[in-house]
Amino acid sequence: QSVLTQPPSVSGAPGQRVTISCTGSNFNIGAGYEVHWYQQLPGRAPKRIIYDNTNRPSGVPDRFSASKSGTSASLAITGLQAEDEADYYCQSYDSSLTGSVFGGGTKVTVL
Amino acid sequence: QLQLQESGPGLVKPSETLSLTCSVSGGSISDDYYFWGWIRQPPGKGLEWIGSSYHVGTTYYNPSLKSRATISVDTSRNQFSLKLSSVTAADTAVYYCARLKTNSGFDYWGQGTLVSVSS
Repeated sequence: QSVLTQPPSVSGAPGQRVTISCTGSNFNIGAGYEVHWYQQLPGRAPKRIIYDNTNRPSGVPDRFSASKSGTSASLAITGLQAEDEADYYCQSYDSSLTGSVFGGGTKVTVL
Repeated sequence: QLQLQESGPGLVKPSETLSLTCSVSGGSISDDYYFWGWIRQPPGKGLEWIGSSYHVGTTYYNPSLKSRATISVDTSRNQFSLKLSSVTAADTAVYYCARLKTNSGFDYWGQGTLVSVSS
């Protein structure tokens, strides 16, 4: 059981918008700690696509966006493309564990 | 461009100690503001944070590993290492090393190395 809860899977047709939720607690997201998001393509290392709740690193397409409210955060992919098919993970800091925590991951399928 | 590369045995026997090294190039492991961490991923499962260490002194570990993990930083060689004792089959995973900035997440990752625990 992960400290941060994500849906196991989401799917959408090309061009559609999908969202992935990440639910935490008052020890992590709700305490104000930043949320970061990672994309993991099959057989590859994770790649950071969002940092500090809403910021995109250089080179990440602007169809990826994120938000945070209360004890939850969400990642949105607009204009879904075949190359977006991957696993996505949220990550934050947890004060009760004194360390980093990851969500269980969400598999995005492009129909 | 910062690069991280994991190295170590791909097969470890049960009850023995897993040892991995992460070599850092293109930047200094002694830079301020960065921690150096290990994350693992069992086959077909999600990411699990193992621990993170600053270049001087401070190290944090996942409590679930119950003191089996030790991370050390060697600034002279620009590398850091992971030791995980008393391994079982449940420790079979791809092990990643990564750089962590506390308010920016893990920004650089190694390619990962598969470690299997089996007799």
